[in-house]
Amino acid sequence: AQKVTQAQTEISVVEKEDVTLDCVYETRDTTYYLFWYKQPPSGELVFLIRRNSFDEQNEISGRYSWNFQKSTSSFNFTITASQVVDSAVYFCALPSFSGGYNKLIFGAGTRLAVHP
Amino acid sequence: KAGVTQTPRYLIKTRGQQVTLSCSPISGHRSVSWYQQTPGQGLQFLFEYFSETQRNKGNFPGRFSGRQFSNSRSEMNVSTLELGDSALYLCASSLEGLGSPLHFGNGTRLTVT
Repeated sequence: AQKVTQAQTEISVVEKEDVTLDCVYETRDTTYYLFWYKQPPSGELVFLIRRNSFDEQNEISGRYSWNFQKSTSSFNFTITASQVVDSAVYFCALPSFSGGYNKLIFGAGTRLAVHP
Repeated sequence: KAGVTQTPRYLIKTRGQQVTLSCSPISGHRSVSWYQQTPGQGLQFLFEYFSETQRNKGNFPGRFSGRQFSNSRSEMNVSTLELGDSALYLCASSLEGLGSPLHFGNGTRLTVT
């Protein structure tokens, strides 16, 4: 069955620290996408990145970087030099095997608190 | 381009009542999905509509229903409300195709008393 595990429930860091959020997934699909979303206190889920299972290159976007490793079924997210505005809940997600493209299976989320 | 718009933002209802939530997708997006978010169960898929047809449904009772109109706007309805229906209901829209990201609205926070 499809499954997404985010083992870290809460992380607390001081501003400017680097922080890595872990995501481990299970899927029977040979072709799939993985997603990261951010949910600030306002409640809206903000799309951050998607990764195709064929592309294992790491990606960097400003202070954000993603490390996708198919061999360990992991898709980890690193924030460099964290800022208070990064405080939010972060979700990793994977489309359901039998549910179609838009039925996402979400991890439980990691709540990140960045303190000044 | 305007984002996904959900109305209302907050709702307080009493057990046994019914409620209708509304969602306007991003222009050009024909797929609309609904998710329920609770502290205990996390984010759970409710259903997805595409071209006015329900394409997928999650594991929720029949009290939860939805529909999509020809302009892609969608509504979801919950009848005979229970205390456990208190949640944040999120609507998302997307373009068609594998890998198209979902774009979410701000959600409707429903409280059932």
